[in-house]
Amino acid sequence: DTAVSQTPKYLVTQMGNDKSIKCEQNLGHDTMYWYKQDSKKFLKIMFSYNNKELIINETVPNRFSPKSPDKAHLNLHINSLELGDSAVYFCASSRESYEQYFGPGTRLTVT
Amino acid sequence: AQSVTQLDSQVPVFEEAPVELRCNYSSSVSVYLFWYVQYPNQGLQLLLKYLSGSTLVKGINGFEAEFNKSQTSFHLRKPSVHISDTAEYFCAVSEPGATNKLIFGTGTLLAVQP
Repeated sequence: DTAVSQTPKYLVTQMGNDKSIKCEQNLGHDTMYWYKQDSKKFLKIMFSYNNKELIINETVPNRFSPKSPDKAHLNLHINSLELGDSAVYFCASSRESYEQYFGPGTRLTVT
Repeated sequence: AQSVTQLDSQVPVFEEAPVELRCNYSSSVSVYLFWYVQYPNQGLQLLLKYLSGSTLVKGINGFEAEFNKSQTSFHLRKPSVHISDTAEYFCAVSEPGATNKLIFGTGTLLAVQP
């Protein structure tokens, strides 16, 4: 009964490739998020969607494009991957302004 | 703009000893406060939250935190730690009614030694 799930868990790819990470939540929440955790474990918000509408778009390269086909899913597509994109990407969801529930993370390694 | 400071990057402590992990925040408006725990190679799990009401908040695994508005602090405490509490602990703040984005501190590694 995973509340917030992400696929894949690990992703190893070469520079210049395009890749996607998928996120699904079965909590009935209306808001979903993408966070990036760097090698020093610092967590930073990237995007947020509320009812399929983009509400947060931090200073993120436009190579990153989120897509929300419905309230339960928020995918992250990354074009032309760079070495600096290597990180752990976390998906999260919440109901309104309350606590966020995080997925297990996707460790992206760009070689 | 909001910010969160966790002054201690690492806190070593012996098993069964008490521990306090410090968190200070900066904000011009009222905030919601959270503590999350991240075990090695896992996602973040909510330990406890302060939204309103009583300033002493109890969470899972025997942890508690106290919201102090005058000192803009939200320190996390546990009276007796276990080896299994070894993990990274993150303090976070959000602004109610806005975008609800979480601003995280840099994390504190709690290293429990036998």
